[in-house]
Amino acid sequence: NAGVTQTPKFQVLKTGQSMTLQCAQDMNHEYMSWYRQDPGMGLRLIHYSVGAGITDQGEVPNGYNVSRSTTEDFPLRLLSAAPSQTSVYFCASSPYTEVGYGYTFGSGTRLTVV
Amino acid sequence: KNQVEQSPQSLIILEGKNCTLQCNYTVSPFSNLRWYKQDTGRGPVSLTIMTFSENTKSNGRYTATLDADTKQSSLHITASQLSDSASYICVVSVILTGGGNKLTFGTGTQLKVEL
Repeated sequence: NAGVTQTPKFQVLKTGQSMTLQCAQDMNHEYMSWYRQDPGMGLRLIHYSVGAGITDQGEVPNGYNVSRSTTEDFPLRLLSAAPSQTSVYFCASSPYTEVGYGYTFGSGTRLTVV
Repeated sequence: KNQVEQSPQSLIILEGKNCTLQCNYTVSPFSNLRWYKQDTGRGPVSLTIMTFSENTKSNGRYTATLDADTKQSSLHITASQLSDSASYICVVSVILTGGGNKLTFGTGTQLKVEL
């Protein structure tokens, strides 16, 4: 039972480079989301999706793109990496957004932009 | 100011001892409150979820309490073990006008259990 799988676990980018962080879940969850975790701050929502073909912005969407072509996959794209995007990124999924359904988080991608 | 504040920021206790972590929140309208455990280098794992009408919920040696009137929650850990060393994150869910929920995360309490 894989749950939520994120790849890669670690990545170093140069300023201006682009890359895609992968997230896949095998629980048939409708809801998927991307968060970033920075020291001294709580997790902040970047983008989320309530189902295939539907995405929306969270509180810190600038510099990131997402798409949801299948229920299973929700990749996060960094268009032109900046040092401010150095962070740990978590993907999370849930069957619904309503009360009683806890999120399942992936193990994270640690990204450093130099 | 963070709308979900946790205290203390960090805590060191001896194995076998009990401890209580605090969470105060100001976000509204309240939907539910969740406690997560995050081991170093891992994603958060859900411990408890409580709705407005629930005062307490247990998960093994973890017991969460909620006072929705004062907007306070606590997580009590009984008979601590070395494996309890982790960050404990309080997360409050608010109801959005257009439907759905928004999660606001605290910054966590870093707990270290020592021999």
